[in-house]
Amino acid sequence: SQQGEEDPQALSIQEGENATMNCSYKTSINNLQWYRQNSGRGLVHLILIRSNEREKHSGRLRVTLDTSKKSSSLLITASRAADTASYFCATEAGTASKLTFGTGTRLQVTL
Amino acid sequence: DGGITQSPKYLFRKEGQNVTLSCEQNLNHDAMYWYRQDPGQGLRLIYYSQIVNDFQKGDIAEGYSVSREKKESFPLTVTSAQKNPTAFYLCASSIGYRSGELFFGEGSRLTVL
Repeated sequence: SQQGEEDPQALSIQEGENATMNCSYKTSINNLQWYRQNSGRGLVHLILIRSNEREKHSGRLRVTLDTSKKSSSLLITASRAADTASYFCATEAGTASKLTFGTGTRLQVTL
Repeated sequence: DGGITQSPKYLFRKEGQNVTLSCEQNLNHDAMYWYRQDPGQGLRLIYYSQIVNDFQKGDIAEGYSVSREKKESFPLTVTSAQKNPTAFYLCASSIGYRSGELFFGEGSRLTVL
């Protein structure tokens, strides 16, 4: 079952613009993580935010978490062509704590 | 460099054949995972192992089998019982179970002819 659903499914922006991706989930979580996947490659961990945190930063990345709305957003500022990839949110929930991935947002950054 | 190595990167199989995908890590991680990814979709958990000689079924374990005889290795066998095996398979590891960040290999793409 998919816990997280990303929105939009696809996003196309120009270099230098900001990119915002959203993730909604259904049940209470322990933490939420964002990963990036370049085409045909493995996933790379970007950032983890715990359920008691509201915002985290890492370089050009900013993640927010709203547990009351069961949603998170990933903001990439001043995007670059190298940011072109698919971005997935993943949630860890409950005592079993399996990491459940969403369907991803495909980001295209053009020059 | 520490990391996760998956092999082969591409694999073709005839219907009715079993195939084994290799996953080796030198990160000294206790937990290992196998995910399946279909085009345009997220990852679905097949099997996971918290420690050597122990593993549990994930959400889509039917038609798959694993072993965890060594800490470094977590091979996945796709059996002939798996009805739709063509997919991209990703192996991952973490320091421990429920320890947050997963480290992924580069994936193995299996195509059934």
